[in-house]
Amino acid sequence: DAGVIQSPRHEVTEMGQEVTLRCKPISGHDYLFWYRQTMMRGLELLIYFNNNVPIDDSGMPEDRFSAKMPNASFSTLKIQPSEPRDSAVYFCASKAGRFGNTQYFGPGTRLTVL
Amino acid sequence: GDSVTQMEGPVTLSEEAFLTINCTYTATGYPSLFWYVQYPGEGLQLLLKATKADDKGSNKGFEATYRKETTSFHLEKGSVQVSDSAVYFCALSRSGANSKLTFGKGITLSVRP
Repeated sequence: DAGVIQSPRHEVTEMGQEVTLRCKPISGHDYLFWYRQTMMRGLELLIYFNNNVPIDDSGMPEDRFSAKMPNASFSTLKIQPSEPRDSAVYFCASKAGRFGNTQYFGPGTRLTVL
Repeated sequence: GDSVTQMEGPVTLSEEAFLTINCTYTATGYPSLFWYVQYPGEGLQLLLKATKADDKGSNKGFEATYRKETTSFHLEKGSVQVSDSAVYFCALSRSGANSKLTFGKGITLSVRP
């Protein structure tokens, strides 16, 4: 069974450009999470969805960030315009059900904004 | 709010040494507790979990016991291997509508041959 799939694995872009990160959750999972990992701030939850609906986006740093989940098998995280301080590893995770259930993480997208 | 506190790192051990990584938490109610591991260049993987007080999670020789009286979930392994070198994250998930994980800062473990 395929795990969580993220693309691209690496992205290098210039400041001001639009960046789109993609995620395919595990089939049948009804929760999807986007995280950002940096040395300074550790692992931060940006936003999560339940049944394709955003539930908590309080971790989204600012209006430059947006996330969508048009269907149960696909989500995007968009940064427009990108800034050097957005450089980080972005993880997507999914899980089935609510309390106590395991989140499964994708391999991450390493974003570098020059 | 919820929080997870892990001991400061990094930790460097020799192969076959005993490992303890401390984790304490603050949360209302009865959270589930997790240890995740991140190997270099990879995403996080669940190592073990416990969903109620006094439960012991175990996997790959690692163990952690959910101690409600001390709000702790310390990770232990009797004999570490070089392949255990990774970053270890303690996390909690609270019941109710809030379904997200709250992570500790993580600790890097390096095991030398």
